[in-house]
Amino acid sequence: DVVLTQSPLSLPVTLGQPASISCRSGQSLVHSDGNTYLNWFQQRPGQSPRRLINQVSKRDSGVPDRFSGSGSGTDFTLKISRVEAEDVGVYYCMQGTHWPPLTFGGGTKVEIK
Amino acid sequence: DVQLVESGGGLVQPGGSLRLSCAASGITFSDHNMDWVRQAPGKGLEWVGRSRDKPNGYSTDYAASVKGRFTISRDDSKSSLYLQMDSLKTEDTAVYYCASDRGYWGQGTLVTVSS
Repeated sequence: DVVLTQSPLSLPVTLGQPASISCRSGQSLVHSDGNTYLNWFQQRPGQSPRRLINQVSKRDSGVPDRFSGSGSGTDFTLKISRVEAEDVGVYYCMQGTHWPPLTFGGGTKVEIK
Repeated sequence: DVQLVESGGGLVQPGGSLRLSCAASGITFSDHNMDWVRQAPGKGLEWVGRSRDKPNGYSTDYAASVKGRFTISRDDSKSSLYLQMDSLKTEDTAVYYCASDRGYWGQGTLVTVSS
């Protein structure tokens, strides 16, 4: 199974400041079809997960452009350019390249300082 | 608007069974690979299994932790996904979400396995 390691576990951020979350995979996530199936999800307190980014860097519909995804191979990053209060929650990366099983990272909790 | 609505959760004793349903609207259900994902209290997300779409023959895959105990099925005529859970264990206690591979998620239904 592909292990995804997220860091940091907890990320206190000042409103209006940038935030960055890392997701590292135990093996390359480049699929034989040439695509990289690495997604990012946001889970606000008390809510179900919401997909923000698919295939490394494609923003889902309705996702603010302050969220961006980047990376390749085994190293990926989710960036929030200017954190807003509504961004508080837990963020997960997930890989869909080598499955079954689909696997998730352990999560990064974003909170306001 | 796309909606995925789970139902069927509740309290069940260890060794018991439960069937979850997920009703979809606003999508062409037969075109979507559908997943069940669970989240134990205070924990992260765990993939449970997948029902592939019609072009992929509706085949299913499961996590090792539930293989042989859980069965995923779907009825495209009703735009519905199901999760039959048998031989339930206390460690199966979680909120169960259905999700489309295109990024849509339901609100979840809580399953509690306890005596």
